[in-house]
Amino acid sequence: DTAVSQTPKYLVTQMGNDKSIKCEQNLGHDTMYWYKQDSKKFLKIMFSYNNKELIINETVPNRFSPKSPDKAHLNLHINSLELGDSAVYFCASSYYGTGGWNEQFFGPGTRLTVL
Amino acid sequence: DAKTTQPNSMESNEEEPVHLPCNHSTISGTDYIHWYRQLPSQGPEYVIHGLTSNVNNRMASLAIAEDRKSSTLILHRATLRDAAVYYCILRGPGGGADGLTFGKGTHLIIQP
Repeated sequence: DTAVSQTPKYLVTQMGNDKSIKCEQNLGHDTMYWYKQDSKKFLKIMFSYNNKELIINETVPNRFSPKSPDKAHLNLHINSLELGDSAVYFCASSYYGTGGWNEQFFGPGTRLTVL
Repeated sequence: DAKTTQPNSMESNEEEPVHLPCNHSTISGTDYIHWYRQLPSQGPEYVIHGLTSNVNNRMASLAIAEDRKSSTLILHRATLRDAAVYYCILRGPGGGADGLTFGKGTHLIIQP
């Protein structure tokens, strides 16, 4: 069984379009994340949600709007796509554990290409 | 989270042990040391974590220096499948929904 799944795996679209990436986890976790990995392979946190509530928003443009319909899902909607949005987007999940001990489980990634 | 320093790349032979170093001289007393790896074209994968004592699991061992300013991830018998970028990450005691702070990591190359 896939623990953290993302759809689609690849997404090619034109500048200015609006697109969504879906993420689902079946691990029973209460916290989910979106990360962006750019062309230089740097991985950076974008958002985190705990029990459907936004916890972290790392100065991401408001064209990016995450939505968590329930604890098992965290979708990422991107409006007015720009060339610089081309990247691989990873969803992750974990238990909410203060203390620094909790491990995160990552999805396979969605490669977004904006033309 | 405090900063970590890792070599850009390391090379090893298949079926030999690999020791991946990480320096974290500004680590605080409550920071956990985590290791993740990213295989080619895949998402990051948790490997191991520890606080003060050395740790072993089915994937690897983590050796933590007595002063905690450095640590070493040990792959006991590397296989070709272990070729990946390995990230050493410090996790503070703060919010449980904090994102991981990835550095550049160490690109591990395994020679057959």
